[in-house]
This record gives sequence, C-alpha cells and structure tokens, in this order.
Amino acid sequence: DAGVTQSPTHLIKTRGQQVTLRCSPKSGHDTVSWYQQALGQGPQFIFQYYEEEERQRGNFPDRFSGHQFPNYSSELNVNALLLGDSALYLCASSFRVQGGFEAFFGQGTRLTVV
Amino acid sequence: DAKTTQPNSMESNEEEPVHLPCNHSTISGTDYIHWYRQLPSQGPEYVIHGLTSNVNNRMASLAIAEDRKSSTLILHRATLRDAAVYYCILVNNAGKSTFGDGTTLTVKP
Repeated sequence: DAGVTQSPTHLIKTRGQQVTLRCSPKSGHDTVSWYQQALGQGPQFIFQYYEEEERQRGNFPDRFSGHQFPNYSSELNVNALLLGDSALYLCASSFRVQGGFEAFFGQGTRLTVV
Repeated sequence: DAKTTQPNSMESNEEEPVHLPCNHSTISGTDYIHWYRQLPSQGPEYVIHGLTSNVNNRMASLAIAEDRKSSTLILHRATLRDAAVYYCILVNNAGKSTFGDGTTLTVKP
C-alpha cells in the first residue's frame, strides 16, 4: 500500500500565478482533507472533500479551491498566488468524514512563491 | 472552532514515561480528541484518538478527563525516535479539524 501520495514534492511559482497540487488517498479511503502549514506552525485546515463535494472549509479565501475525482483523488488549486502562500501543503485521507476515524497524511508539497 | 492549548516544549529522558498535556476547554460533545506527531520534513503521523473513554494502542495511551476539557498523551517508555512535534487536535463529527502549534518533545539519551 503506497499510502497517501502527493505531487509534486517541491514547486516554485511567481506571485500572481496559479498552482495545482495533487493528492492520491490511501487505498480504501474516500475522504480527502487539505492543510497549509507555515514554517514553525501547526497545519491549518483548508477544506475537506467527500463524495466529490466540499464538505467543510476553514478560514481560507476563495482563491483556494479544490476538486475530488470519482477515484477519490483530489486537487488543490490556488489562484493569484501571494508571497504569503508559501508553505507546506499537506493532504490527508480517511475513511468517511466523521471524527472517529484516523487520518493518514502525505509528505506534503513545498510551495515557494517568489 | 474549538481550540487546543499545549506547552511549547517538553523534555524527557530515554526509557522514561512521558505525559504530554492538552487543554481543550471549549470542546463540544461530538468532538473527538486526536493526537498526531510530526518529524521534520514529514507529514503528521497518527498516534491515537478517543471520545470519552481512555484509549490504549501499541504506540501510546490517551487519558481523557471526565469533563473532557483536557487530555494527556502518555508514551510509556520514550525512545529517541519519539522526538517530534506532538499535536493535540479536535475533530468534529463533520470531519473538520483544528490544529494548535503543538509540543516539541526532546528525548535525551
């Protein structure tokens, strides 16, 4: 089992550009959550997808959007990149949305905006 | 959103037990308490979770206060590999989670 895989591992973008990050969940998992982790801080919840719909959202602007595909994989899109969007973006998968299930995290995508 | 409060850092000696505290005074009745740990340059790793009762697994134990306003992660015998940032988070019944800044655990040989 490959676990949660994220691509790419590192990315450098210019301010104002758009970026797409990808996540494949652990086998058997149907729920994907995305987090932003700034250096030295804990992960901040962006949103969660289940059954191809956004189910929960954290305090992030509409520039952050996502998608979940029928095979449960997911994308995170960020438009009009700002320098402050530089962070580690983490994807986590779980079985169902309820809090009673453990989540498995990927290694993250390190995004640098210059 | 319900928040958690943890000490910034803790130290332990190898082979000794470690008790990592977490306060979550605004927890709601349906929030689960989860613990994850994170090594540098890695994604968080699940440790344990619970709702009301104390929980044990091969990695650790979770002691939950009767009023659920606090909890303690117990590592029974710390090893050097347990050195990490430990996060106590609340996950609501819709799956939304709230991370704090975690506790950096240092294990001394």
